[in-house]
Amino acid sequence: EPEVTQTPSHQVTQMGQEVILRCVPISNHLYFYWYRQILGQKVEFLVSFYNNEISEKSEIFDDQFSVERPDGSNFTLKIRSTKLEDSAMYFCASRGEGDAFYGYTFGSGTRLTVV
Amino acid sequence: AQSVTQLDSQVPVFEEAPVELRCNYSSSVSVYLFWYVQYPNQGLQLLLKYLSGSTLVKGINGFEAEFNKSQTSFHLRKPSVHISDTAEYFCAVTEGQAAGNKLTFGGGTRVLVKP
Repeated sequence: EPEVTQTPSHQVTQMGQEVILRCVPISNHLYFYWYRQILGQKVEFLVSFYNNEISEKSEIFDDQFSVERPDGSNFTLKIRSTKLEDSAMYFCASRGEGDAFYGYTFGSGTRLTVV
Repeated sequence: AQSVTQLDSQVPVFEEAPVELRCNYSSSVSVYLFWYVQYPNQGLQLLLKYLSGSTLVKGINGFEAEFNKSQTSFHLRKPSVHISDTAEYFCAVTEGQAAGNKLTFGGGTRVLVKP
């Protein structure tokens, strides 16, 4: 069964450093998403991406965040200057459309710890 | 705007007993509904989904859910739980397949199965 792959599984970074979280969505999917889950809390939407541009973003997704699909297969989330409150599990998701819409497939997540 | 409410934050249940997890949604348009399971320290796995058709949806691991449009509910049930069903369960909704249509999650229900 096709999977969404996220790397790394765990990243520790110092406050103020830049981090890039990587995702490889399912190959025939067209819509890509990033979500985050702070420990013990609900899963929160960050951003959606389609046709090489952001479709929608939440209030959380401020100027410190950016997304990119650099090479047609990877989908990355960059945090420019990490804060302690960015510590969370970050999930990438992708989905198809029409007959290929079976729902949203999530990766296993990247646990980001900012120290 | 779409929203999801999971009425129970925690549900303790004995092994082999039935369980029902409640989910209500709010939306002004037709929706697609999902249940995801998150085992400890793992990612989000799709349990089942309602896209259209029969309102009774069967998923993996013996779970099923019923879509009730008049009550805007999508409750999840299992007739007999196992210890391995201990996990957090998330109900989620999306308003369609248009670009940017994100998945909105409820707050989650933690199920603890006791021997």
